[in-house]
Amino acid sequence: QKEVEQNSGPLSVPEGAIASLNCTYSDRGSQSFFWYRQYSGKSPELIMFIYSNGDKEDGRFTAQLNKASQYVSLLIRDSQPSDSATYLCAVTVGYSTLTFGKGTMLLVSP
Amino acid sequence: NAGVTQTPKFQVLKTGQSMTLQCAQDMNHNSMYWYRQDPGMGLRLIYYSASEGTTDKGEVPNGYNVSRLNKREFSLRLESAAPSQTSVYFCASVARDRGWTEAFFGQGTRLTVV
Repeated sequence: QKEVEQNSGPLSVPEGAIASLNCTYSDRGSQSFFWYRQYSGKSPELIMFIYSNGDKEDGRFTAQLNKASQYVSLLIRDSQPSDSATYLCAVTVGYSTLTFGKGTMLLVSP
Repeated sequence: NAGVTQTPKFQVLKTGQSMTLQCAQDMNHNSMYWYRQDPGMGLRLIYYSASEGTTDKGEVPNGYNVSRLNKREFSLRLESAAPSQTSVYFCASVARDRGWTEAFFGQGTRLTVV
């Protein structure tokens, strides 16, 4: 049984701060890692994906992967109130199904 | 380009009634998925179809059936609805033949069983 664990939050940060969202996974064979953002009442949308150990940056977002520790994180720099949402971590092994964590709620206060 | 379209968006059923949730994608993706999302439970996979003509059970298949009608359409059927099936249902499609790139989600169906 593949498991993806996330702290449910809420994680509260002030506007302009760095938000750090964390995720751990149980299957060492996991190969692909995804971060989705979901606004209340909306469907999930992909923010970033990462396949290799290390950091991957895209604008204000940085995904970090450490396969040895089975850990993936998402950093949001210069957090904005519009970043307030639930962030879902997802993993997959090869072409297998996409397994989601329960999500972390992020609240960015003005 | 509509992406992934789900119908209906909202539905209220009485216990024991049946219904079919429809999903269609116009992105020529091979793989399609049905998830349910409950408060505090994240997205849980009900059924998936890796390619046209194939379907497989996910994490929570009991009480559901699916049909991959063609490459575009993947439907989810509740034969005898139960209150435990009250949830938000999401359909997603993925370009599986190019590896995992992006899963596109429909807008969701909010189902209440009373």
